[in-house]
Formats: sequence, structure tokens, C-alpha cells
Amino acid sequence: AQKVTQAQTEISVVEKEDVTLDCVYETRDTTYYLFWYKQPPSGELVFLIRRNSFDEQNEISGRYSWNFQKSTSSFNFTITASQVVDSAVYFCALSGLPGGYQKVTFGIGTKLQVIP
Amino acid sequence: NAGVTQTPKFRILKIGQSMTLQCTQDMNHNYMYWYRQDPGMGLKLIYYSVGAGITDKGEVPNGYNVSRSTTEDFPLRLELAAPSQTSVYFCASSYDGNTEAFFGQGTRLTVV
Repeated sequence: AQKVTQAQTEISVVEKEDVTLDCVYETRDTTYYLFWYKQPPSGELVFLIRRNSFDEQNEISGRYSWNFQKSTSSFNFTITASQVVDSAVYFCALSGLPGGYQKVTFGIGTKLQVIP
Repeated sequence: NAGVTQTPKFRILKIGQSMTLQCTQDMNHNYMYWYRQDPGMGLKLIYYSVGAGITDKGEVPNGYNVSRSTTEDFPLRLELAAPSQTSVYFCASSYDGNTEAFFGQGTRLTVV
């Protein structure tokens, strides 16, 4: 079975603070993919990043950065200098082969509130 | 660029009624998915399809049915609506199981 744990259900930060969203995953697969999605208050889900299990390089995209560590089965997401527009629910997801066809498992999400 | 289109956006059903949530994508994606989202529970996979004519159950398939007669369309059928099916439903598609998914705008369903 595969599992994604986002232990932080809600986080509040003041604008311009840095914030890290945690994601811990479980899988028996040696090849798998990890994702982050953003769900703003408007409700749609927006893809942010994909990482495969063989690529442990950290990635930075503007104010966003991701830290993938296989040793701790974690794929954490950091927002630097947070802005009000970052307020959203963020989902971590894992794609693997727990049996049958490829399946994607989502965490329960972390609700981020950025206070002006 | 339409992407993934879901209809309707909102629906109220009475207990025992049936309905079909429509989903169509114009990206020629092989994989399509139906998720439900309940407060504090994240996204739960209901059914998915890896291509026309092939469907499989997800985590929470009970009370739902799907079909995939074409690459573009993946309707979700509720036969006997129950209050437990009150939720927001998302349809999504991806090129394959390892690539990012594109989501529809969601359907807010209330069963009373």
C-alpha cells in the first residue's frame, strides 16, 4: 500500500515569513513520482511540481522550493517571503504501483493562511 | 484550451435519486480519474481509467459506477443517492500514471 501524510492540517503565517509544508510518504515501489498541487479558495487544483524517485536534487522556482529526501521519505515544500496570494490548501501526492495500474494517492492537504 | 470540463457545477439530489456527472477532456490523455473531496479528508479516488474500455476501482467506489467508451469522456454515475455522497467531485486526466493531472473545476453535490 502507499500512503501520504501531511501532518500539518492548518498553518498561519504573517506575510513575508517563510513557511515549510511537510510531506512524508510510504511506498514499496522503487520507482515512484511525487507531486505538489495547490487549491486556492476558488477551488480548482493546480499542479506545482513533479519529482521522480531517482532525482533527489532540490528544486527552486521563484519563491517556491522543494526538498526531496529519500532517506526520510519526505518531500517538503517551502515558500519564501510568503504572500497573501499563497493562501490555499496544498496537497502532496504519490504515484506508484501498489497493485494493478498506476495509482495516485493524495495527502489530506495543508491549509495555509497568509495574514497581511 | 478547454482542458477538463465537468458538468454540472452544482446539483442538489434527493435521497434515492440517480444522476450522472459528466467529464470530458480534449488533451488526448489516456488516464482519467474521479475523486471526491470531503472537508479535512483530502482527495479520495473513486474510480479511474487507463484507456477507453478499461476502468478500475479506487479507494471509495461503493455507490458509484463509471464507463469509458471513448478517450475523451469518463462519466460518473450515482444510482441511489445517499447523504454520504454529499461532497465535491473532481474529474482529472493525465497522459499516464506518472505525469501531472489536470483537474476539472469540480461539482458540488448535495444529497438531501
